[in-house]
Amino acid sequence: GQNIDQPTEMTATEGAIVQINCTYQTSGFNGLFWYQQHAGEAPTFLSYNVLDGLEEKGRFSSFLSRSKGYSYLLLKELQMKDSASYLCAALDSNYQLIWGAGTKLIIKP
Amino acid sequence: EAQVTQNPRYLITVTGKKLTVTCSQNMNHEYMSWYRQDPGLGLRQIYYSMNVEVTDKGDVPEGYKVSRKEKRNFPLILESPSPNQTSLYFCASSPPPDRVHEQYFGPGTRLTVT
Repeated sequence: GQNIDQPTEMTATEGAIVQINCTYQTSGFNGLFWYQQHAGEAPTFLSYNVLDGLEEKGRFSSFLSRSKGYSYLLLKELQMKDSASYLCAALDSNYQLIWGAGTKLIIKP
Repeated sequence: EAQVTQNPRYLITVTGKKLTVTCSQNMNHEYMSWYRQDPGLGLRQIYYSMNVEVTDKGDVPEGYKVSRKEKRNFPLILESPSPNQTSLYFCASSPPPDRVHEQYFGPGTRLTVT
């Protein structure tokens, strides 16, 4: 079956760096998305990776290893406003999104 | 402004009383989708539509209906709501999935069925 695994919750300190991991098993693969979702709000797009490697976008970076079925989202210089859930979603061979349950990130001062 | 709108944003209803949640997008997107989100379960797809008059079941379609008569609108219908349909619902739209594009989400509808 198709499956996405990511930690349920993580805690980090303001100003620090945190890495949120995601492993996926899908029927075929057409890329991986990361979304941010603040409590009670809609998910918003952060990044998309389809090739191996690291893509940097300001304080946020996303990494993909297709051979390992693994991705991570790296958040640097954490700010209180980064407290949110981070959703990992893989695009399968039929271009259907398979969603993880999300990682709730708690930032402490 | 490019956006996906949903109405109502909050709804409390009783078991068995038919309801419709509207969804509209102004980006001329072909693909539209409905999700429900429950604690610990993430986003689960209810129905999706690849274009006008083309709809398909997602992972959890039981108890729901949809229609796609116009490109911009994709209403979600609960003919006989039950308490297990209490959830946070999101509508989303995008270009066709094989063009691999981000999805744009509406603000969500929080539904409570008593």
